[in-house]
Amino acid sequence: GAGVSQSPSNKVTEKGKDVELRCDPISGHTALYWYRQSLGQGLEFLIYFQGNSAPDKSGLPSDRFSAERTGGSVSTLTIQRTQQEDSAVYLCASSGRSGAGDTQYFGPGTRLTVL
Amino acid sequence: AQKITQTQPGMFVQEKEAVTLDCTYDTSDPSYGLFWYKQPSSGEMIFLIYQGSYDQQNATEGRYSLNFQKARKSANLVISASQLGDSAMYFCAMRDLIKAAGNKLTFGGGTRVLVKP
Repeated sequence: GAGVSQSPSNKVTEKGKDVELRCDPISGHTALYWYRQSLGQGLEFLIYFQGNSAPDKSGLPSDRFSAERTGGSVSTLTIQRTQQEDSAVYLCASSGRSGAGDTQYFGPGTRLTVL
Repeated sequence: AQKITQTQPGMFVQEKEAVTLDCTYDTSDPSYGLFWYKQPSSGEMIFLIYQGSYDQQNATEGRYSLNFQKARKSANLVISASQLGDSAMYFCAMRDLIKAAGNKLTFGGGTRVLVKP
């Protein structure tokens, strides 16, 4: 079946602009995660959605970052007033109950470059 | 808090030989899961293998096996019969399996493997 998809694959923006990154999880997966991968910080957790529960936003680095998940499926990560330090690869993952240890399956990522 | 340490930033391995990638972890959680992911130059994160902290046997998946030593808090990945396509970045990760703690993965810094023909 189809894996996790993300769009766009690459995004170049100017400092101060807002960006939206999209994630479409594996069909039937109830959990969705956003991570960020940057050279200096490695892989960092950002936010986690599980069904209709309140999301775990503990990893969001600032209030410029927000995410929503509509209809329990597609998620959008929004970064407002982008800064150069936001440049990174943003990875989305999803998991379902049947996976061992609720294994998370990742999408191809969105590479964000802030000029 | 959980912490994952991968002490080998990079390593070379000869094609067809086995390679061991080190991973040590630190956690106070009684129940946890350990994962290995492969990230080729294309950037996608590919799940390789999973080990639960209460699993009695070491996990194996094809050419991948996990040398799990709970008392030493290590979960080394062994890749047997290396292939050129194994050249990639490898990440060790863990998560708490108690639901109240959430599902986020904590990652190590990664080990870059280059397979030589």
